[in-house]
Amino acid sequence: DTAVSQTPKYLVTQMGNDKSIKCEQNLGHDTMYWYKQDSKKFLKIMFSYNNKELIINETVPNRFSPKSPDKAHLNLHINSLELGDSAVYFCASSPGGEVEKLFFGSGTQLSVL
Amino acid sequence: GQNIDQPTEMTATEGAIVQINCTYQTSGFNGLFWYQQHAGEAPTFLSYNVLDGLEEKGRFSSFLSRSKGYSYLLLKELQMKDSASYLCAVTDSNYQLIWGAGTKLIIKP
Repeated sequence: DTAVSQTPKYLVTQMGNDKSIKCEQNLGHDTMYWYKQDSKKFLKIMFSYNNKELIINETVPNRFSPKSPDKAHLNLHINSLELGDSAVYFCASSPGGEVEKLFFGSGTQLSVL
Repeated sequence: GQNIDQPTEMTATEGAIVQINCTYQTSGFNGLFWYQQHAGEAPTFLSYNVLDGLEEKGRFSSFLSRSKGYSYLLLKELQMKDSASYLCAVTDSNYQLIWGAGTKLIIKP
């Protein structure tokens, strides 16, 4: 049974399109995150939600909008996709913000053409 | 600024031992992590050090020196399946994770 699942695994789209990535965790964790891993393999946090409330919002273009309908879900919607958005996006969760117990989803490889 | 440095790539032989170093400069320190990431997969947790010294877990050990801003991951009895990237990450004073770019480890027979 997958702990943190995100869909789709691969996403290929044209510049200017709008797309969403979904994430669900069945671990009962309070905190969920979105990370971006670029071509140089750096993992950078984008957003963090605790019990559906935004607690971390790094310097991310406002074309990226996270949505947390409940504490088990954190979806990422991206408007007007740009070439530089191509990366692997990882969803993660942890209990109460305890990053030492961070679980990652399997990643979504986004390719913007 | 916050910085995590680790070698980009290392090569080792099956059955041997390899040490992957990580140095960090962060605003505060609340622990250091090592993660393993196979190509195309998510990072998976290997170890967590918050106090100085060596933590051993099977074939893998992790060492921390807070005064030197330094850690290493030691992998013994290398197996082909250990070919992966190894990511060093530090939690800063705000408990945010700062990640290194990872060390790609190539194991040769």
